[in-house]
Amino acid sequence: DIQMTQSPSSVSASVGDRVTITCRASQGISSWLAWYQQKPGKAPKFLIYAASSLQSGVPSRFSGSGSGTDFTLTISSLQPEDFATYYCQQASSFPLTFGQGTRLEIK
Amino acid sequence: EVQLVESGGGLVQPGGSLRLSCAASGFTFNSYWMHWVRQAPGKGLVWVSRINGDGTRTTYADSLKGRFTISRDNAKNTLHLQMNSLRAEDTAVYYCARDRGNWFESWGQGTLVTVSS
Repeated sequence: DIQMTQSPSSVSASVGDRVTITCRASQGISSWLAWYQQKPGKAPKFLIYAASSLQSGVPSRFSGSGSGTDFTLTISSLQPEDFATYYCQQASSFPLTFGQGTRLEIK
Repeated sequence: EVQLVESGGGLVQPGGSLRLSCAASGFTFNSYWMHWVRQAPGKGLVWVSRINGDGTRTTYADSLKGRFTISRDNAKNTLHLQMNSLRAEDTAVYYCARDRGNWFESWGQGTLVTVSS
């Protein structure tokens, strides 16, 4: 199985800050990576696929980059509604696996 | 608008069975692979299973093979997950999700399964 490791596990930031979350795969996955946002008590929301493609309707302050084993999710200017938990997910091989999540909290 | 609505969760004793359903609308259901993903309380997301559009191909997480069965009824636009021999560690919110290249493009609101005596 491909293991996905996110860092940090949690981060505190303020509205307007730039935040970067990292996801590392245990083996190369090319660009087969997605990012999701989850708020408490809600289903995850699909943000980014193919490492850097923005899902329709997702604000442009979200961006993704990387390929192979190392990936990043960047939020350029945090908005109040962005405080949530973020998960990466590899789609390269089965079983499909997720990172453990990064909790983004208000400072 | 894509809508996925799960049902069938609840409290079940260890060793028991439960059948989850996911009613789909707003898209051509039989054209899409569908998945189940679960999330234990306070934990992360775990992929469970997938099924292709006509129901002839399925894939499971190794740890669940033999206990869980995914199926679909395209006439009723409904996805199912039959769960047998349930254990405490199966306690989770179960989400159905529409596939996009092995990503999860659309999600239901989830249904909670609690396995406890």
